[in-house]
Amino acid sequence: EPEVTQTPSHQVTQMGQEVILRCVPISNHLYFYWYRQILGQKVEFLVSFYNNEISEKSEIFDDQFSVERPDGSNFTLKIRSTKLEDSAMYFCASSMGNQPQHFGDGTRLSIL
Amino acid sequence: GQQVMQIPQYQHVQEGEDFTTYCNSSTTLSNIQWYKQRPGGHPVFLIQLVKSGEVKKQKRLTFQFGEAKKNSSLHITATQTTDVGTYFCADYGQNFVFGPGTRLSVLP
Repeated sequence: EPEVTQTPSHQVTQMGQEVILRCVPISNHLYFYWYRQILGQKVEFLVSFYNNEISEKSEIFDDQFSVERPDGSNFTLKIRSTKLEDSAMYFCASSMGNQPQHFGDGTRLSIL
Repeated sequence: GQQVMQIPQYQHVQEGEDFTTYCNSSTTLSNIQWYKQRPGGHPVFLIQLVKSGEVKKQKRLTFQFGEAKKNSSLHITATQTTDVGTYFCADYGQNFVFGPGTRLSVLP
């Protein structure tokens, strides 16, 4: 069964640095998402992406964040000037419109 | 903004007992999706409910959407140890708003 793949599985970064989290959605999916889950807490929606542009974003997704689909397969989340509170698990998901979202295994981001 | 709430936060049951988690929203829900997240894992889609009053079953799992589309429930009959995890409801509306989840522990 096709899967959403995310790299790296764990990223450790110094506070203030920039990170790029990478995702390869399922190949025929058209909608892409990023979520954040702080340890032990709920899944929080960050952004959805369709047709090469952001379709929705939450209040969390401020100017510190950006997303990109640099080629036909990758979907990236860039976090600039990382803060300690950015430490979390970041999940990428993809779907075919109004269909179930398939989540990747996540990237654990640790900010030191 | 919209708030999606779930109760209980935690539930410990003996294997074989039933389990129910309730999802409530401060506003009318568009569509409800239910996900299960195993410890250390990622959310896995279980079901989507769209219509008011809708009831769907998956083996031992029964999902219900309230008549007013402001609440939903997930009921597991005769829990098994494989049911362990956190169950999230999510409103599939303009944004995807997840509830805080109910963490289920099943004691053998």
